[in-house]
Amino acid sequence: KAGVTQTPRYLIKTRGQQVTLSCSPISGHRSVSWYQQTPGQGLQFLFEYFSETQRNKGNFPGRFSGRQFSNSRSEMNVSTLELGDSALYLCASSSSGGAEETQYFGPGTRLLVL
Amino acid sequence: SQQGEEDPQALSIQEGENATMNCSYKTSINNLQWYRQNSGRGLVHLILIRSNEREKHSGRLRVTLDTSKKSSSLLITASRAADTASYFCATDGGSWYAGGTSYGKLTFGQGTILTVHP
Repeated sequence: KAGVTQTPRYLIKTRGQQVTLSCSPISGHRSVSWYQQTPGQGLQFLFEYFSETQRNKGNFPGRFSGRQFSNSRSEMNVSTLELGDSALYLCASSSSGGAEETQYFGPGTRLLVL
Repeated sequence: SQQGEEDPQALSIQEGENATMNCSYKTSINNLQWYRQNSGRGLVHLILIRSNEREKHSGRLRVTLDTSKKSSSLLITASRAADTASYFCATDGGSWYAGGTSYGKLTFGQGTILTVHP
């Protein structure tokens, strides 16, 4: 089975721009979670989608949004980029997002905001 | 905010030695997982231990969980240079059946940077 894939792997943007990141989960997985990783704050949960519905959301401003498609692929969008948005963005998939499940992570998208 | 704290923050050992990392967390949990991350890449799942388990083994890995102390440890035996990485513990919210507010959410510790010298 192919693992979780994320595109693009690297991205450079300037302040004020917006960006869209994509995540394709493991085949058959319907839950996709997104995380932001920075040196200062570590790994922080952004949101989780299941069957095209956002079921859970972390403590991030409204500039961070996401969606999920009927094939379980997910995108996240960050509008009006700020320097502090520079981070590694990771997505993870699992069968249903339940507590007993392992989450499988993609390689991440490294975003640099100049 | 981070659920857990990991200790030590950095660990440097020689190949063949054992490495022990500790994790503490704050809320009740259903399970605790350990992940490895190489050089800022994606996280690789190592092992999951449920709240009703006290110890679990997988190859050279041994994980213990003490829910009364809200702590876990990861032991890597006979370490290799390839084990050099950051190691994170992650917990679920625990409040799964009270409105399902923890779907898909893992809360991570700050991680331990392990360096294994050949």
